[in-house]
Amino acid sequence: ETGVTQTPRHLVMGMTNKKSLKCEQHLGHNAMYWYKQSAKKPLELMFVYNFKEQTENNSVPSRFSPECPNSSHLFLHLHTLQPEDSALYLCASSQDQGTSGSPETQYFGPGTRLLVL
Amino acid sequence: SQKIEQNSEALNIQEGKTATLTCNYTNYSPAYLQWYRQDPGRGPVFLLLIRENEKEKRKERLKVTFDTTLKQSLFHITASQPADSATYLCALTGANNLFFGTGTRLTVIP
Repeated sequence: ETGVTQTPRHLVMGMTNKKSLKCEQHLGHNAMYWYKQSAKKPLELMFVYNFKEQTENNSVPSRFSPECPNSSHLFLHLHTLQPEDSALYLCASSQDQGTSGSPETQYFGPGTRLLVL
Repeated sequence: SQKIEQNSEALNIQEGKTATLTCNYTNYSPAYLQWYRQDPGRGPVFLLLIRENEKEKRKERLKVTFDTTLKQSLFHITASQPADSATYLCALTGANNLFFGTGTRLTVIP
């Protein structure tokens, strides 16, 4: 148990559906992250929040919309997704957002396996 | 941008042997490099961090080396066990975030 939980663990949705992924961390961390993991590809950073403020948007399509109401919770709202969006979506947290001179270990949740039909 | 390559997609070794996984990167040398373990259906779990001025780091049966001249890190698991079977990811610190390799799936055969 890493202290980061994600719900749901599995999700199947049609291209016209709207759904949300939820992440909660119980570690008292200030930074939270969304990653996408597809087969045979490295983890792709999607969004970063530090102290509830979005600090990174890695050119993610607008059909993915993050929300961070407080430092412990992070949501990813999904709307009109495409089949190529099917992947494992991982949430992570760290004490603070790392820098090149001060790395931060990230703690990951178990992920949400998303299938878009 | 940084490109990270992990030597092979999959590696099979016999129980009791030493597993050696490779992480190569291009472009700039990061100040820090991390290794994570990922089991099927789970998120990555942090294992070790090594700084650019450290040549070697150990933790129990794990050893990591960092050669900034070769732009390479090696990850060793000595006396490997079937429970060590997992995917191992290397990650480099970028401007403000971590950049991950694609991982090497290690299988330790009893």
